[in-house]
Amino acid sequence: ETGVTQSPTHLIKTRGQQVTLRCSSQSGHNTVSWYQQALGQGPQFIFQYYREEENGRGNFPPRFSGLQFPNYSSELNVNALELDDSALYLCASSLGQGVNTGELFFGEGSRLTVL
Amino acid sequence: EDQVTQSPEALRLQEGESSSLNCSYTVSGLRGLFWYRQDPGKGPEFLFTLYSAGEEKEKERLKATLTKKESFLHITAPKPEDSATYLCAVRNFNKFYFGSGTKLNVKP
Repeated sequence: ETGVTQSPTHLIKTRGQQVTLRCSSQSGHNTVSWYQQALGQGPQFIFQYYREEENGRGNFPPRFSGLQFPNYSSELNVNALELDDSALYLCASSLGQGVNTGELFFGEGSRLTVL
Repeated sequence: EDQVTQSPEALRLQEGESSSLNCSYTVSGLRGLFWYRQDPGKGPEFLFTLYSAGEEKEKERLKATLTKKESFLHITAPKPEDSATYLCAVRNFNKFYFGSGTKLNVKP
């Protein structure tokens, strides 16, 4: 059974640039969610995708957007990067829809540094 | 506003010294309370899900309990390999809310 994989593991961008992070969900999982984790803090929910549709969103501005593909892999896009966007971005997959979503299985994360 | 607060922020224990971590929450529609373990540089690893007050789950030296306003993670006779950050999260429909975690350090 393949776990959740994320790429790239580390990247450095400058303020104003755009970034795309990628996630392959665990085999058999149809729901993907994304989190931002600042140093020393808990993960903050960005959004969740089920069957290619966004069905839950946290308090993040529209410049944070995503996609889920038919094979349930996913992308997180962040436009107009700001210094405060520097964080570990975690992807998690789970089985289920919305209210029935089960436990989350996380990848190792993508560490983004914005200079 | 949905919120999760964990205490203490950090905890140092001697090997074999039992203790408890606290997670208090306010959520409008609880659809599960989750405990995760996170090692440095890694993604969180699922430990337990609790759904209703009075429920308890156990795994090796860990035991999680749930009341209407808080959850406890009890660690019995911890070992150095239990050192990690323990995260609590609640689910409200399609959203998850995490606490800031308790960083546990178990000394041999």
